[in-house]
Amino acid sequence: EAQVTQNPRYLITVTGKKLTVTCSQNMNHEYMSWYRQDPGLGLRQIYYSMNVEVTDKGDVPEGYKVSRKEKRNFPLILESPSPNQTSLYFCASSFRSGTSSYEQYFGPGTRLTVT
Amino acid sequence: SQQGEEDPQALSIQEGENATMNCSYKTSINNLQWYRQNSGRGLVHLILIRSNEREKHSGRLRVTLDTSKKSSSLLITASRAADTASYFCATDRGDSWGKLQFGAGTQVVVTP
Repeated sequence: EAQVTQNPRYLITVTGKKLTVTCSQNMNHEYMSWYRQDPGLGLRQIYYSMNVEVTDKGDVPEGYKVSRKEKRNFPLILESPSPNQTSLYFCASSFRSGTSSYEQYFGPGTRLTVT
Repeated sequence: SQQGEEDPQALSIQEGENATMNCSYKTSINNLQWYRQNSGRGLVHLILIRSNEREKHSGRLRVTLDTSKKSSSLLITASRAADTASYFCATDRGDSWGKLQFGAGTQVVVTP
């Protein structure tokens, strides 16, 4: 089954404790992206990746890191989480062709609480 | 700042009625997409319309795009209770298509 998986689905942690949220897709997609969703603000893009070893900042990259060493995986790293990073996080992937976006496939989300 | 903004923020209708929501954006785009989200779950792609298209249909969905007004509309015809969800538009900026920007969404409630 074609899908995007995220782990963990739920996470409660404390300020400053490094954490990684994994994202994996099995559709051989070149493009992957991370979003956070907060009430009233919709989804805001954190980082995206056009292909292996190619990443770029979205609109809200501060406090996050990413890496794309393999095509299928795109982990999101919070080196020192803070309470304002409490949010619902989504990973997404899509094909890439030419110079425009394609339909994105979303993971089920990771609900993160930082106390 | 958000590129796309949906209007209205919330919409309540009865089954069988049509639901219309609008999306406005600020800069030139390559394409505009609409997504549906059921209660905190992952978003599901509905339809993509390219900047050189004016109208597109998919089942009970009709999307229009007016690039001169920088706006799009999503029409759901003959709505069903299962259409209850939040709907988001997403745009990719012409100069940087990898950067996708979503609006805050329209919350639609369809009552039987």
